Amino acid sequence: DAGITQSPRHKVTETGTPVTLRCHQTENHRYMYWYRQDPGHGLRLIHYSYGVKDTDKGEVSDGYSVSRSKTEDFLLTLESATSSQTSVYFCAISELFVPGQGAQNQPQHFGDGTRLSIL
Amino acid sequence: KNEVEQSPQNLTAQEGEFITINCSYSVGISALHWLQQHPGGGIVSLFMLSSGKKKHGRLIATINIQEKHSSLHITASHPRDSAVYICAVRTPGGSNYKLTFGKGTLLTVNP
Repeated sequence: DAGITQSPRHKVTETGTPVTLRCHQTENHRYMYWYRQDPGHGLRLIHYSYGVKDTDKGEVSDGYSVSRSKTEDFLLTLESATSSQTSVYFCAISELFVPGQGAQNQPQHFGDGTRLSIL
Repeated sequence: KNEVEQSPQNLTAQEGEFITINCSYSVGISALHWLQQHPGGGIVSLFMLSSGKKKHGRLIATINIQEKHSSLHITASHPRDSAVYICAVRTPGGSNYKLTFGKGTLLTVNP
């Protein structure tokens, strides 16, 4: 199994409080991703990173920020949590893919998820 | 944006049955992934394919690029195969590596 650790695994907090989720990898993969998973929806990308201090928004980025100060850690922050952010959050990692250079598509490896409840 | 549709949404089978889960997408892709998620569990990559067919144990994945369609087959199904199966596609363009996911198919295999 790919070395990906999410922390915490479970968290309950109140509306308006800040929350930070951590994703730690030991694979030295370049790409890291944060997804949320909700009933009736597929996994949806929140933010992703393509290198240290290089991040970009996904399709559901409002209300979330991220930071990546070193290769192994990717933090997801909810500055002021809302009940609509109650969800299961997954971190994923993948190898670098460079179009046109014959590199192979690589699978994404997922962490075990963080169940976040905002009351 | 690539739209990914999976069918059926729910599937119940008896142990030993042959299972087929389908995935269709709207825009040409560079790769398609099949993932497995057990209840309350993490997500595991089963297959990644861009053409033809791949087999791993009792699982077979096929893709038809022209028809924008993929199938995941499970032969001799077993209760431990009960899980959500998720199709995801990578659409060409850019140097990053983002996936678009289907909503998943919940498979229940009864003994």
